[in-house]
Amino acid sequence: GQQLNQSPQSMFIQEGEDVSMNCTSSSIFNTWLWYKQEPGEGPVLLIALYKAGELTSNGRLTAQFGITRKDSFLNISASIPSDVGIYFCAGFTSGTYKYIFGTGTRLKVLA
Amino acid sequence: KAGVTQTPRYLIKTRGQQVTLSCSPISGHRSVSWYQQTPGQGLQFLFEYFSETQRNKGNFPGRFSGRQFSNSRSEMNVSTLELGDSALYLCASRWGTGDNSPLHFGNGTRLTVT
Repeated sequence: GQQLNQSPQSMFIQEGEDVSMNCTSSSIFNTWLWYKQEPGEGPVLLIALYKAGELTSNGRLTAQFGITRKDSFLNISASIPSDVGIYFCAGFTSGTYKYIFGTGTRLKVLA
Repeated sequence: KAGVTQTPRYLIKTRGQQVTLSCSPISGHRSVSWYQQTPGQGLQFLFEYFSETQRNKGNFPGRFSGRQFSNSRSEMNVSTLELGDSALYLCASRWGTGDNSPLHFGNGTRLTVT
């Protein structure tokens, strides 16, 4: 099935560091969502983006809708141990009327 | 407001059997989508239901089917189970269909086929 390219695949960071990850596609999307999934649970919606260039924050998380509409970025500032998990992006296109998910970025925080 | 509820949380089945998974959406949400999550393939879209009608379908064989009831609750059925069907099955609800309202996920049903 179709998936979006998400990078990095995984990362180890020190507590307190900032984190950046991105999601890219060859297709244009008109909505980007970012989720976090912890072991044994379903993905939890973090941020929703609806407009090219939009920058939205949720606490220490900031996400941006790329101006080309083919990518999106998620930044986590001053990471803490509970940020551990897998982060997924999802893009929606009115062409297919469904969300396509990224391959995920696995984040591990070293205390 | 209660979230998306999936039952059961865990299932162990044998090859060749069939299984039915259940999903109750967030109150007021009329769309329910199903996804299969595996380590190798990530989150793969199965199908979406809205107003008791299948509105969208992924690339899965006909052994995977679903339905939605008038109260928006949904069930997914997998017949003639194969080992490769072992996965986390996630249900997600959203307000509408054909629009970009965000998906809200349940905690999934972990299916193991032996």
